[in-house]
Amino acid sequence: DIVMTQTPLSSPVTLGQPASISCRSGQSLVHSDGNTYLNWLQQRPGQPPRLLIYKISNRFSGVPDRFSGSGAGTDFTLKISRVEAEDVGVYYCMQATQFPHTFGQGTKLEIK
Amino acid sequence: EVQLVESGGGLVQPGGSLKLSCAASGFNFSVSAMHWVRQASGQGLEWVGRIRSKINNYATAYAASVKGRFTFSRDDSKNTAYLQMNSLKIEDTAVYYCTRHDILTGHYYWGQGTLVTVSS
Repeated sequence: DIVMTQTPLSSPVTLGQPASISCRSGQSLVHSDGNTYLNWLQQRPGQPPRLLIYKISNRFSGVPDRFSGSGAGTDFTLKISRVEAEDVGVYYCMQATQFPHTFGQGTKLEIK
Repeated sequence: EVQLVESGGGLVQPGGSLKLSCAASGFNFSVSAMHWVRQASGQGLEWVGRIRSKINNYATAYAASVKGRFTFSRDDSKNTAYLQMNSLKIEDTAVYYCTRHDILTGHYYWGQGTLVTVSS
């Protein structure tokens, strides 16, 4: 199984300031079709996960442009340019390149 | 709009069985693989497995933690996927999400989840 490791596990951020979460996979996430199926999910308190970013850097429909994803191979980053109150929750990276699909431990974003 | 609606969760005793349903709409269900992911309270996400479409012979894949106890099925005429859970253990207690990974776009869709509690 591909192990996904996120850092930090907790991120206290001041409103309006940037935030960054890193995700490292135990092996390359490049699929045989050439795509890299690395996604970022947001889970607000009491809500199901929702897709933020797919295939490393593509924002899903309705996701604000303050969210951005980057990376390649085994190292990936989610950045929030200016944190807003509604961004509070847990963020997960996940890989859908290989079965079983696996998830990072989650990073809890909270407001200072 | 893609919608996934799970149902069938509840309280069951250890060793018991439960069958979850996932009603899908907004996409071509019959050609889509359907996945299940679970989340224990306050914990992270665990992929449970998936069932592929008829053209892929309804092939299934299971996480090691549920293999031999859980079974996926689907009824394409009803746009519904199922998760039959047998020999349930306390550690199976979780919210179960029905999900869809659209391999063409890379999108990963989630339902609202249904809670399964295994307790005596």
